[in-house]
Amino acid sequence: QKEVEQDPGPLSVPEGAIVSLNCTYSNSAFQYFMWYRQYSRKGPELLMYTYSSGNKEDGRFTAQVDKSSKYISLFIRDSQPSDSATYLCAMMLQGGSEKLVFGKGTKLTVNP
Amino acid sequence: DAGITQSPRHKVTETGTPVTLRCHQTENHRYMYWYRQDPGHGLRLIHYSYGVKDTDKGEVSDGYSVSRSKTEDFLLTLESATSSQTSVYFCAISLTGGAVDEQFFGPGTRLTVL
Repeated sequence: QKEVEQDPGPLSVPEGAIVSLNCTYSNSAFQYFMWYRQYSRKGPELLMYTYSSGNKEDGRFTAQVDKSSKYISLFIRDSQPSDSATYLCAMMLQGGSEKLVFGKGTKLTVNP
Repeated sequence: DAGITQSPRHKVTETGTPVTLRCHQTENHRYMYWYRQDPGHGLRLIHYSYGVKDTDKGEVSDGYSVSRSKTEDFLLTLESATSSQTSVYFCAISLTGGAVDEQFFGPGTRLTVL
């Protein structure tokens, strides 16, 4: 079992839909959770960052962490065609191991 | 791309030839990373550096070596390229390497080994 599992999709939704992206993980020592967005033929860029459990909201984006279930989510409200990208979850251990462990990424297309 | 350049951006080479990829940063960040990205595997860490001449292995380091003689440059070398090393390679930088510091990624190098 990989440390981080993410459904690669692809996921196709109409404009304005609510999108839910998810990752599960097996290592309970992960404490830092990130979501990166990667446009086609570009490098990933950090979208959201959460420490431990709870929710974090930034505009149309909400990140949730449920450590008891080892499950993290990214919600996108009022999705836009410009949100079309691959979304990668990433995690890091407590204490700063310097190493991020990434999920495979979910490819999202938002259709106008 | 946060002051990170990668060269070359595209390369086609033959099995058995040596290949060196270069990552250059203008941000004076301490940490630098090399990842590869493949369908079905996502981003995987190859090697990383936490200072000049200080490097360590990542998840998929076999067949790769790295060097960092200056803060701004991190080189990834494939001593004898194989077809399994066909991939997109990303360099990333981080100020301190800690979880609170964002990793900034370069534009990537697309390598094809025939």
